[in-house]
Amino acid sequence: AQTVTQSQPEMSVQEAETVTLSCTYDTSESDYYLFWYKQPPSRQMILVIRQEAYKQQNATENRFSVNFQKAAKSFSLKISDSQLGDAAMYFCAYRSARGAQKLVFGQGTRLTINP
Amino acid sequence: GAGVSQSPSNKVTEKGKDVELRCDPISGHTALYWYRQRLGQGLEFLIYFQGNSAPDKSGLPSDRFSAERTGESVSTLTIQRTQQEDSAVYLCASSLGDRDLTGGYTFGSGTRLTVV
Repeated sequence: AQTVTQSQPEMSVQEAETVTLSCTYDTSESDYYLFWYKQPPSRQMILVIRQEAYKQQNATENRFSVNFQKAAKSFSLKISDSQLGDAAMYFCAYRSARGAQKLVFGQGTRLTINP
Repeated sequence: GAGVSQSPSNKVTEKGKDVELRCDPISGHTALYWYRQRLGQGLEFLIYFQGNSAPDKSGLPSDRFSAERTGESVSTLTIQRTQQEDSAVYLCASSLGDRDLTGGYTFGSGTRLTVV
């Protein structure tokens, strides 16, 4: 079974600085998707960024980018120019490209932005 | 509708009572998922519906938990004889299922269940 591990329960960063959240995963599959979701206090899960495993190029969405290291099974999220609205729980998630479509989530990292 | 709707948003129940949680997916989304999120924890998969296929119930923690979905419409998650460890936020999500190759889920805001 696939597992996702986020080793940082909490992180904090100064406003306008850059922060990197870590994620590692375990799978025997070669074709899959990886995601970062943001969960603010409203509880709504918001998709931040996604990466297809077959793509070598790291995904980027405005201030958010990933460092995808397939051989190391690592998928970190970098947030540049941190803003107060970025404060939330961040979850890394894995989904197989075949068969069951359920997402497997890590335990989350709580990100605090200091003004 | 425009988004995934869940009701109620909050539910307090007495231990031993049955509860029903409702999820209204996005129109046209064939796949529907239920997850449980205990306080300070990640999301735990419960059950997954895809069109008219048999649901994947592999995440249901006990036979007190069940879920139904008719076609591609509303789903209800039922918890019988609730226990205090059932206290959690129950999140529902929907997607285009087999027609979506990018794994794009849309989540609802969840139901916070408190068993006292």
